Amino acid sequence: LAKTTQPISMDSYEGQEVNITCSHNNIATNDYITWYQQFPSQGPRFIIQGYKTKVTNEVASLFIPADRKSSTLSLPRVSLSDTAVYYCLVGEVLTGGGNKLTFGTGTQLKVEL
Amino acid sequence: GAVVSQHPSWVICKSGTSVKIECRSLDFQATTMFWYRQFPKQSLMLMATSNEGSKATYEQGVEKDKFLINHASLTLSTLTVTSAHPEDSSFYICSARSANTGELFFGEGSRLTVL
Repeated sequence: LAKTTQPISMDSYEGQEVNITCSHNNIATNDYITWYQQFPSQGPRFIIQGYKTKVTNEVASLFIPADRKSSTLSLPRVSLSDTAVYYCLVGEVLTGGGNKLTFGTGTQLKVEL
Repeated sequence: GAVVSQHPSWVICKSGTSVKIECRSLDFQATTMFWYRQFPKQSLMLMATSNEGSKATYEQGVEKDKFLINHASLTLSTLTVTSAHPEDSSFYICSARSANTGELFFGEGSRLTVL
């Protein structure tokens, strides 16, 4: 399983764009990159998933360079409610399969006024 | 969207008792479910992978006789913490993979406190 490395913590202010980078040097060909958000005492919540280049949804963008050895989660105009731990996961996606996802340390994002 | 429900959301028990935590996929079938444990200010640690109708696969260092996992149907997996001790106090989270789409959904977690 590909190991991921993220900054332990990041601080930001409301309205700013936040970019969290994750390193995954040993990513395999079949691996996808998935980001989750977790609030205290809650289960992780899916944010975005991608394989290469750029993916965008209503809450975030995910940038993946050509070598796929890293990825960057971009949160536009963060608010206080975005204060949470963000996890970058790398794993093989098999429809109906049983691949497991291993969580790294995550990045604690703190958003202030 | 798809929902994974865990019950109970929190439980307090005495040392030596057994506690069962349920994980249900409410509107989809899940051939595979995963159980995680999370201590305060730490990441989620995968405990085991459970496949419907077969024995669970435990991660290294996780005692299978201590943490009994049953995945008897396509919508239900249970984790039983047997003879619980204070060090078993933790936040237990399950996730379920849709048999249809392969998407993975997480439950809201169950907080166990052993006195």
